Amino acid sequence: DTAVSQTPKYLVTQMGNDKSIKCEQNLGHDTMYWYKQDSKKFLKIMFSYNNKELIINETVPNRFSPKSPDKAHLNLHINSLELGDSAVYFCASSPLRTDEAFFGQGTRLTVV
Amino acid sequence: QQPVQSPQAVILREGEDAVINCSSSKALYSVHWYRQKHGEAPVFLMILLKGGEQKGHDKISASFNEKKQQSSLYLTASQLSYSGTYFCGTENARGNQFYFGTGTSLTVIP
Repeated sequence: DTAVSQTPKYLVTQMGNDKSIKCEQNLGHDTMYWYKQDSKKFLKIMFSYNNKELIINETVPNRFSPKSPDKAHLNLHINSLELGDSAVYFCASSPLRTDEAFFGQGTRLTVV
Repeated sequence: QQPVQSPQAVILREGEDAVINCSSSKALYSVHWYRQKHGEAPVFLMILLKGGEQKGHDKISASFNEKKQQSSLYLTASQLSYSGTYFCGTENARGNQFYFGTGTSLTVIP
């Protein structure tokens, strides 16, 4: 069984569109994350979220919004996509903020 | 605010040792270490917390100097499987600032 799964694995879309990436974890973890890795392989945390608190990286544009329907899911919604949003997006989860994080396989987003 | 890692890249022969350093300009609560192989997701290696607590894999060791805001990852008797890019991640006490380091590419050759 996959611990942290993301869909889709690949996403190609045009500028200006709105898209979502889904993430589900079956580990019973309380904390979930979204990360962005750009073409230069730089990693950046975008959000961390548990059932009590959403922590947003202040550099993330408000076009990006996490939605959590329940503790096992944290979806990423992106509005008005721009070319610079092209990257690999990773979802992850951990029992606590200070515990091992388990990553999904990543979603490669290409904006054309 | 992004931690700086050194070296940027290193090539080792199997069995050799390596040290990867991570230096931050901010006060730190925790340091995380990850390894990422090409085309794959990062894999957790270790977390070091202020006060001395560590959580991680038995074969990996690391240190955290809270006063200097630095951490080092020690790879001993390297194996081919150690190849990849290593990232440190640093976090403040409140947990609202987390930054990944610049990355260190490590290649182990036979």
